[in-house]
Amino acid sequence: RKEVEQDPGPFNVPEGATVAFNCTYSNSASQSFFWYRQDCRKEPKLLMSVYSSGNEDGRFTAQLNRASQYISLLIRDSKLSDSATYLCVVNPDGQLTFGSGTQLTVLP
Amino acid sequence: GAVVSQHPSRVICKSGTSVKIECRSLDFQATTMFWYRQFPKQSLMLMATSNEGSKATYEQGVEKDKFLINHASLTLSTLTVTSAHPEDSSFYICSARPGGVEQYFGPGTRLTVT
Repeated sequence: RKEVEQDPGPFNVPEGATVAFNCTYSNSASQSFFWYRQDCRKEPKLLMSVYSSGNEDGRFTAQLNRASQYISLLIRDSKLSDSATYLCVVNPDGQLTFGSGTQLTVLP
Repeated sequence: GAVVSQHPSRVICKSGTSVKIECRSLDFQATTMFWYRQFPKQSLMLMATSNEGSKATYEQGVEKDKFLINHASLTLSTLTVTSAHPEDSSFYICSARPGGVEQYFGPGTRLTVT
């Protein structure tokens, strides 16, 4: 079983749509959780950290369910510029463990 | 702030040759740097953790004699792919950690071995 599992997609949605990504992790000792965004042939960039109480940053909302070992990312009012691969990242032991990413394409 | 550079951004080399990739933290000191490899449509896989002044810690399955890592200063780590083969062709990304949990990624180096 992979340490971090994501639905690879692709998700193709129209501009303005709301889209949700899910992620599960296997190491229950994980303490830190993140969503990164990676554009084609570029390095990953931190989108947001994920906190136990859930957190929001503009159109982006992240949720964490420790009991289910489940993380989610919700994007509202999606923009063309949101097209990218979204990586679920977990930190179980001081090192980052990456999911394989979910590809999103926002269509005009 | 927190900028990490990598050089070169792209390299093509012949099979059997060695390639050195540099990773620099430009505006902070990084006691720990990480080297990742990413094949197309796959996740980033950690290759090794590099601590300044000590030997790198390699992940299982990564040959330390093939992927030489040197972290000679708090702002520079190098990865040398020795005797490169076509299957080593990949996107190599470094990251640097100034302290705490957050890592800052370099822009990556695309290696093609012909």
